[in-house]
Amino acid sequence: AQTVTQSQPEMSVQEAETVTLSCTYDTSESDYYLFWYKQPPSRQMILVIRQEAYKQQNATENRFSVNFQKAAKSFSLKISDSQLGDAAMYFCAYRSARNGATNKLIFGTGTLLAVQP
Amino acid sequence: KAGVTQTPRYLIKTRGQQVTLSCSPISGHRSVSWYQQTPGQGLQFLFEYFSETQRNKGNFPGRFSGRQFSNSRSEMNVSTLELGDSALYLCASSFFSGTLTSYEQYFGPGTRLTVT
Repeated sequence: AQTVTQSQPEMSVQEAETVTLSCTYDTSESDYYLFWYKQPPSRQMILVIRQEAYKQQNATENRFSVNFQKAAKSFSLKISDSQLGDAAMYFCAYRSARNGATNKLIFGTGTLLAVQP
Repeated sequence: KAGVTQTPRYLIKTRGQQVTLSCSPISGHRSVSWYQQTPGQGLQFLFEYFSETQRNKGNFPGRFSGRQFSNSRSEMNVSTLELGDSALYLCASSFFSGTLTSYEQYFGPGTRLTVT
């Protein structure tokens, strides 16, 4: 069974600075997707960034980028130029890409990010 | 385009009662997944429906059930409620054509269920 681990329950960053959230996962599959989701205090979960395991290039979305280390099964999220609106719970998630796989997401326990003005 | 909607947003029930939660996916999305979110267990997958068929089920007791209608709207039902069922129930929809063509799942705001 696949597992996702986020070892940082809480993190804090100063506005305009950079912060990195950690995520490790365990799987025996070779094809999968990894995601970072953001859940602000309003509770609506939104996708921040995704990574396909077969792609060696790290995904980037504006101020958000990942460091995907497939051999180490590590998937960290870097937020550059942090803004107050980045304050939220961040979840790392895994989804299988094997033939016949469904949309089931396996989530980590989350990292609560605080942004200090 | 309207997002995923869930009704009701808040619900208070008593132990032993049953409850039905509703989810309307984004127009054109035929896959609907349900998740339970609690402080202790985090986010856990309940089940997924596509074209009125359950495609996958998480590790929850039989008291948790769901269904999907021909218009892709989905409901989940919890019978004989227990205190531990208090949680935020999230619904997510995605475009799915029979092959895995969309990565993104769009989440609704959730239904906060409190069991007393």
